[in-house]
Amino acid sequence: ETGVTQSPTHLIKTRGQQVTLRCSSQSGHNTVSWYQQALGQGPQFIFQYYREEENGRGNFPPRFSGLQFPNYSSELNVNALELDDSALYLCASSSRGPGYTFGSGTRLTVV
Amino acid sequence: DAKTTQPTSMDCAEGRAANLPCNHSTISGNEYVYWYRQIHSQGPQYIIHGLKNNETNEMASLIITEDRKSSTLILPHATLRDTAVYYCIVRVLNSGGSNYKLTFGKGTLLTVNP
Repeated sequence: ETGVTQSPTHLIKTRGQQVTLRCSSQSGHNTVSWYQQALGQGPQFIFQYYREEENGRGNFPPRFSGLQFPNYSSELNVNALELDDSALYLCASSSRGPGYTFGSGTRLTVV
Repeated sequence: DAKTTQPTSMDCAEGRAANLPCNHSTISGNEYVYWYRQIHSQGPQYIIHGLKNNETNEMASLIITEDRKSSTLILPHATLRDTAVYYCIVRVLNSGGSNYKLTFGKGTLLTVNP
């Protein structure tokens, strides 16, 4: 089985720009979640998608948005980037099962 | 989700058992205890979960106290590759599609020494 793959692995953006991060979920997984992990902190839940609909959201502003596609892959979009958006962005997929499968993340640096 | 408390860091000698404690005194009756770990520069990896009985798989054992207010993750023979941050999380069982997010704390940094 394939795992969760994320692209790109690293990215540098300028404050005010927009960014799109991509995630391919594990085969058979229909639920995708996104997390933000700042340096030295645990991952923080951004939102979750199930069957192409957002069905849960953490404490993140509307400039964080997402999509899930019919093949269950997903995108995370962040508009008007701020310096504090610099973090590791993790995608996790799941289905009916005990745990989530995480990708290795995208390291975003905002300068 | 109930709050968990873990030590900030622990050390373990290679080949010895690593016992990682977690307190979750406000756990609800339908909440499970999950453990994940995160090796440097990788995404978190699922280890094990349990409700009230002790559980064992190929990676680890999970011991949950009878009152369910605390638990211990046991790595029976720690190796250098087990050096990671270990997260204890309590939440309801994932039933597919429902909004059951994972609430991570700062976890325990386990360092396995040669």
